[in-house]
Amino acid sequence: GDSVTQMEGPVTLSEEAFLTINCTYTATGYPSLFWYVQYPGEGLQLLLKATKADDKGSNKGFEATYRKETTSFHLEKGSVQVSDSAVYFCALTDVYNQGGKLIFGQGTELSVKP
Amino acid sequence: GAVVSQHPSRVICKSGTSVKIECRSLDFQATTMFWYRQFPKQSLMLMATSNEGSKATYEQGVEKDKFLINHASLTLSTLTVTSAHPEDSSFYICSARALSGGYSGNTIYFGEGSWLTVV
Repeated sequence: GDSVTQMEGPVTLSEEAFLTINCTYTATGYPSLFWYVQYPGEGLQLLLKATKADDKGSNKGFEATYRKETTSFHLEKGSVQVSDSAVYFCALTDVYNQGGKLIFGQGTELSVKP
Repeated sequence: GAVVSQHPSRVICKSGTSVKIECRSLDFQATTMFWYRQFPKQSLMLMATSNEGSKATYEQGVEKDKFLINHASLTLSTLTVTSAHPEDSSFYICSARALSGGYSGNTIYFGEGSWLTVV
């Protein structure tokens, strides 16, 4: 079945460092890809998304490009802040085959130190 | 924008009792809602898919009689944890798929989640 694999955490960075969180997927159809963020004690928030190959999702300085050839959707940010400390989840959905249910990666905890 | 509300956000109950969690879409109709469970420091696992007016579809390994799901209207789905035990303590989160918006996958909205503690 479809699946999502993320790099293991925790990831610890200093403020203003460059961030990459790797995400790869396997899917039989044509999935949409997402990054969600979960701040401590809170629910999930959609960070960005891409619905087809070569699309780039971006929000709050974060970016991710849907790469079909490498089945990847890596999350990047040029300069992280302490407030970016959270758990990041990569996810996919194939609405045609799965009706909208999301398949999540295991999550990557990011800790940004001042 | 679209909002999905869950209630209660935190609940503590005694072992053996039942607890109900509500998931409401506040400004859109949702024919399909999803219930996930998240253990501490782990990912979200889909428990069941809730379809308005029909029985929920449960994922493998999820006890139907323990986790009762009712999707009585286009804006409300409920998850009832029956005869709760401490191992049911977890973070439960719902998502709702908007009725309109096509199949681009960008019409799925999450609730804030509900922390359940069974003592």
